[in-house]
Amino acid sequence: GNSVTQMEGPVTLSEEAFLTINCTYTATGYPSLFWYVQYPGEGLQLLLKATKADDKGSNKGFEATYRKETTSFHLEKGSVQVSDSAVYFCALSDRGGGGNKLTFGTGTQLKVEL
Amino acid sequence: SAVISQKPSRDICQRGTSLTIQCQVDSQVTMMFWYRQQPGQSLTLIATANQGSEATYESGFVIDKFPISRPNLTFSTLTVSNMSPEDSSIYLCSVLLLTGGYEQYFGPGTRLTVT
Repeated sequence: GNSVTQMEGPVTLSEEAFLTINCTYTATGYPSLFWYVQYPGEGLQLLLKATKADDKGSNKGFEATYRKETTSFHLEKGSVQVSDSAVYFCALSDRGGGGNKLTFGTGTQLKVEL
Repeated sequence: SAVISQKPSRDICQRGTSLTIQCQVDSQVTMMFWYRQQPGQSLTLIATANQGSEATYESGFVIDKFPISRPNLTFSTLTVSNMSPEDSSIYLCSVLLLTGGYEQYFGPGTRLTVT
């Protein structure tokens, strides 16, 4: 079956530091990959996506590249801000056999300090 | 994107009772989903709400415990029945938009506490 593995948190960084949150996946088909963000007390927001190999998703300074050869979709940001403090979820959707449902990783909490 | 609302936003319920959560979307969508997020955990899919037919439940979730209705293309309800403290979670609905790459958008969630 499908699965998503994320690096464990919490990740604590100083403002303006470089961020990487690792995500690897297992899927039987050709999934689409997503990063969602959950700010404290709020619901999930779609941060970025990639639908095929070598696609790069980007939004709000965050980037992730769909790497089929390493089955990875690592989230990066060059300079984090305190406002980026949130929980980040990697997810995949197997449109073919998976019925479009999302499989989530366990989430990685990011804390950014001044 | 889509604008999704849920009611109630939070509730505190007694064990043994039931709570119905509503999910409303501002446009017609084919696929709606219900997820559970237990405290400090990731999201787990409960079921896919199908318009005009019974919901499709994931392993570990049953209709008697989580009955779902989907009367039209903009609305769905999830009922948490005969609640126990283990049902304390955030319940989220989501919708799948076929345009723009099959993106799922989530409602704000319903925070349920069972005492």
